[in-house]
Amino acid sequence: GAGVSQSPRYKVAKRGQDVALRCDPISGHVSLFWYQQALGQGPEFLTYFQNEAQLDKSGLPSDRFFAERPEGSVSTLKIQRTQQEDSAVYLCASSVLGRTEAFFGQGTRLTVV
Amino acid sequence: AQTVTQSQPEMSVQEAETVTLSCTYDTSESNYYLFWYKQPPSRQMILVIRQEAYKQQNATENRFSVNFQKAAKSFSLKISDSQLGDTAMYFCGTYGGSQGNLIFGKGTKLSVKP
Repeated sequence: GAGVSQSPRYKVAKRGQDVALRCDPISGHVSLFWYQQALGQGPEFLTYFQNEAQLDKSGLPSDRFFAERPEGSVSTLKIQRTQQEDSAVYLCASSVLGRTEAFFGQGTRLTVV
Repeated sequence: AQTVTQSQPEMSVQEAETVTLSCTYDTSESNYYLFWYKQPPSRQMILVIRQEAYKQQNATENRFSVNFQKAAKSFSLKISDSQLGDTAMYFCGTYGGSQGNLIFGKGTKLSVKP
């Protein structure tokens, strides 16, 4: 596709349920970023991939959060045993290389009830 | 650790006037990039302007320009001839660290009034 695609756009999960959020980056983009954005706040960095290598996962808030990019293209952010504080918009971005323009997807709005 | 600070949570400006959004940052990197992104209510972040730290000349993109003060670690965004479509959240960001992660400030909500 022409841009970064995220699915689903909206997800409602019951507390304790596991969820998986998908990101399809722009073809050929080496770098991929995940962010968590609470309402009215800036994007908080979660993790960063260069191809299939997860170079930085310092922003993942707990061991319930896990991200992968096994073939260096599509990435999945998984949240286990969701809690209400996980409710946020999850943004994915990709770029050709680090330090260049990052292109963002529309995000996935996760609501935990 | 790298940080980005935007000290103005909200600003407003009259249509056709000029507004400046502030940003300060801290990084230990010698080679880094600075960005301003815009996030309209539809939510998708789009790049407004970027600046390479090694370039002394301030970047300009049509009505958008920056005032980059490297020694002061300041990177403000000036919007000239403000338009209603400029209403959005604006985020200042920087690449830092050898691994290249991109971090943002908390944002400034800009409202352009007719």
